[in-house]
Amino acid sequence: KQEVTQIPAALSVPEGENLVLNCSFTDSAIYNLQWFRQDPGKGLTSLLLIQSSQREQTSGRLNASLDKSSGRSTLYIAASQPGDSATYLCAVGGRGSTLGRLYFGRGTQLTVWP
Amino acid sequence: DTGVSQNPRHKITKRGQNVTFRCDPISEHNRLYWYRQTLGQGPEFLTYFQNEAQLEKSRLLSDRFSAERPKGSFSTLEIQRTEQGDSAMYLCASSLSLAQETQYFGPGTRLLVL
Repeated sequence: KQEVTQIPAALSVPEGENLVLNCSFTDSAIYNLQWFRQDPGKGLTSLLLIQSSQREQTSGRLNASLDKSSGRSTLYIAASQPGDSATYLCAVGGRGSTLGRLYFGRGTQLTVWP
Repeated sequence: DTGVSQNPRHKITKRGQNVTFRCDPISEHNRLYWYRQTLGQGPEFLTYFQNEAQLEKSRLLSDRFSAERPKGSFSTLEIQRTEQGDSAMYLCASSLSLAQETQYFGPGTRLLVL
């Protein structure tokens, strides 16, 4: 069974810092990897989707990388802002018999203070 | 608003009662997913549909749970004889027919079983 781990569990930083959130997964046979943001009590907002054949994706101040062979992904947030405060979830897409299913980590709770 | 919608947003019920949740996906999306999220955890996959066909069910989906998607449009998730352990956020997501497409999530239905 695919296991997804996110480190750190929580992070508190001053505004303006560059951040790296880490995600690791146990089974490298993935279809894709998605990073989501979740605000308290709310649903998930998709940030970036990386296909299994890709190495990275960028959107604005966000950059996500994927190293499938080592089972790792990182989400880089440049010049963090208080509005970035949220929980960031990494999700790995299954393939084969689990195609379409997303396996989630527990998330990294980020607080950016002014 | 053309995003995924879920109703109700909150539901409080007594143990033993039946509850039903509704999800309306993005109109052109053929795939619809249900996940469950408990406090401090990432979402866990429950089931998914390709049009009206239910293609996979997680072992988390006990006999008390049933999901339908008549006519391949909206979906309902029913929980019979609710238990306190069913208290969670129930999330719905949809995507285009291809598995590599981004899953877009609704705001969720928060269930509290007393």
